[in-house]
Amino acid sequence: EDKVVQSPLSLVVHEGDTVTLNCSYEVTNFRSLLWYKQEKKAPTFLFMLTSSGIEKKSGRLSSILDKKELFSILNITATQTGDSAVYLCAVLNAGGTSYGKLTFGQGTILTVHP
Amino acid sequence: DGGITQSPKYLFRKEGQNVTLSCEQNLNHDAMYWYRQDPGQGLRLIYYSQIVNDFQKGDIAEGYSVSREKKESFPLTVTSAQKNPTAFYLCASSIGYGHYGYTFGSGTRLTVV
Repeated sequence: EDKVVQSPLSLVVHEGDTVTLNCSYEVTNFRSLLWYKQEKKAPTFLFMLTSSGIEKKSGRLSSILDKKELFSILNITATQTGDSAVYLCAVLNAGGTSYGKLTFGQGTILTVHP
Repeated sequence: DGGITQSPKYLFRKEGQNVTLSCEQNLNHDAMYWYRQDPGQGLRLIYYSQIVNDFQKGDIAEGYSVSREKKESFPLTVTSAQKNPTAFYLCASSIGYGHYGYTFGSGTRLTVV
């Protein structure tokens, strides 16, 4: 069974701090790893990572994948109160009976205080 | 605008009743998915469908049923056999087999009273 574990489960910081969110995974046939941000309702897409060692960047957010060690990190620099959300990591299975199945971690609840 | 529409946004159900959650997409996506989210937890897969008239059980399918008679629609029925149905339900769709990620609906919050 595919498994995704995120840490920490919750994090409280002040504006301007830098945070690192962790995601480790076990999947039978790895296709890609995705990060989502969930504020109130629908998760919104942040990054899709397929290759090791290639950093993806969008503004203050960046992410990288290590396929040898089976983990990914999501960095947020100069945090703002608008970054407060649940951050979800998920892995996409690309083989066998689980083809196309996206398995999520528990999420990290990030709270940014002014 | 293309997207996924879930209805209703809030739903209350008495114990022992079946209830159906609607999910419609106009993105021409092949695959559709249902996830359940409990407070403080991630998303858990209930059912998914990659083509019309075909669907597969996810990790927590017991007490739920689905149909996929049209490409655009993937309704989820929460049956009386589901022992703890109070949760937030999210529908998603993807091109092909999710290689380009998923698009999510806004969710339905189901409460058993």
